[in-house]
Amino acid sequence: DAKTTQPPSMDCAEGRAANLPCNHSTISGNEYVYWYRQIHSQGPQYIIHGLKNNETNEMASLIITEDRKSSTLILPHATLRDTAVYYCIVSPRYSGNTPLVFGKGTRLSVIA
Amino acid sequence: GAVVSQHPSRVICKSGTSVKIECRSLDFQATTMFWYRQFPKQSLMLMATSNEGSKATYEQGVEKDKFLINHASLTLSTLTVTSAHPEDSSFYICSARDRGANTIYFGEGSWLTVV
Repeated sequence: DAKTTQPPSMDCAEGRAANLPCNHSTISGNEYVYWYRQIHSQGPQYIIHGLKNNETNEMASLIITEDRKSSTLILPHATLRDTAVYYCIVSPRYSGNTPLVFGKGTRLSVIA
Repeated sequence: GAVVSQHPSRVICKSGTSVKIECRSLDFQATTMFWYRQFPKQSLMLMATSNEGSKATYEQGVEKDKFLINHASLTLSTLTVTSAHPEDSSFYICSARDRGANTIYFGEGSWLTVV
């Protein structure tokens, strides 16, 4: 079962920042927070991951609360191509045979 | 570009026949690959974990004799849907762990339609 809770859907105006929340109150000390997105009819695309520090890459920023019970994915300037289902996943650092377990995610619609 | 490639991207087969889907890691060796299935408007459901050189581990409710998984090399895993039926029509997705990059990558997915 997924260990995360995300809103089922969100809208965002094109060019504005999209802030996608995720609750993971039962996260354990060795678990990372991973974000993937799935554009319609494609395989999931890796976005970013983090343990406890905030992270930023060319796609997005990840803000993790100090108690690690929640996080926010930020797309700084959303475009129409960012319309997708975004999945927040907690999992031990990629090791052994641990698969990623997907919840229902958040369907982000970027509106022109 | 894609680092995990699936083939075919779309396939239509007749009921009762078998179909094979390939999953290849392109720039890294993958000792472990994962197979998922996704029905319309639903999330990805893990089917099995594929280990190079050993038997796959199947999730509860997934028939191992129907969904044959072979991971014969460090860059290739195959999923064969045997005696396919219309209810097997779905989007099948594989993923592979790149230890060097500490990332799990997903393939583009394969649409299976059984008629």
